[in-house]
Amino acid sequence: GAGVSQSPSNKVTEKGKDVELRCDPISGHTALYWYRQSLGQGLEFLIYFQGNSAPDKSGLPSDRFSAERTGGSVSTLTIQRTQQEDSAVYLCASSFLAAYEQYFGPGTRLTVT
Amino acid sequence: AQSVTQLDSQVPVFEEAPVELRCNYSSSVSVYLFWYVQYPNQGLQLLLKYLSGSTLVESINGFEAEFNKSQTSFHLRKPSVHISDTAEYFCAVSDRDDKIIFGKGTRLHILP
Repeated sequence: GAGVSQSPSNKVTEKGKDVELRCDPISGHTALYWYRQSLGQGLEFLIYFQGNSAPDKSGLPSDRFSAERTGGSVSTLTIQRTQQEDSAVYLCASSFLAAYEQYFGPGTRLTVT
Repeated sequence: AQSVTQLDSQVPVFEEAPVELRCNYSSSVSVYLFWYVQYPNQGLQLLLKYLSGSTLVESINGFEAEFNKSQTSFHLRKPSVHISDTAEYFCAVSDRDDKIIFGKGTRLHILP
């Protein structure tokens, strides 16, 4: 079956612009995670959705970052007024249940110029 | 909440030598444990997992990890590494009703 997909694969934007990153999880997976991976850095947790529960936003670095998950499926991560330090690979992962193994998408490489 | 510590950010090892990548987690009664691998310029993929049962789990490419509850560890080992094992390895843990937490990763460098 289809894995986790993310779009776009690459995004170059100017400082100050808003960007939207999309994640399509595996069908039937109730949990969805967003992470950020910068060069030489590990995985930075951003936000986590589990079913219809309120999302865990504890990892969002600032109020410029937000995410939503519509219909328990597709998720969009929005970064407003992008800054150069936002440049990174943004990874999405889904899992059948929160604590089970995650399946990662290929990521979106964001470059802020 | 859980936390995960990978003590080594980088581990150099000669080809065909053994390797151990260390992972410790904060204490909890019941946990699920995972190792993920990220090969150069590729995405993350699951290497092996412990959910229950035997405390020693193996991957298809010769890695193994042992759940040690008393030491709250889940170290990853391979008796003889190959150049193709060059990658970054991430340990992860979850309480059974909560989200997965990742360590900061260990870069494995295989020396010829």
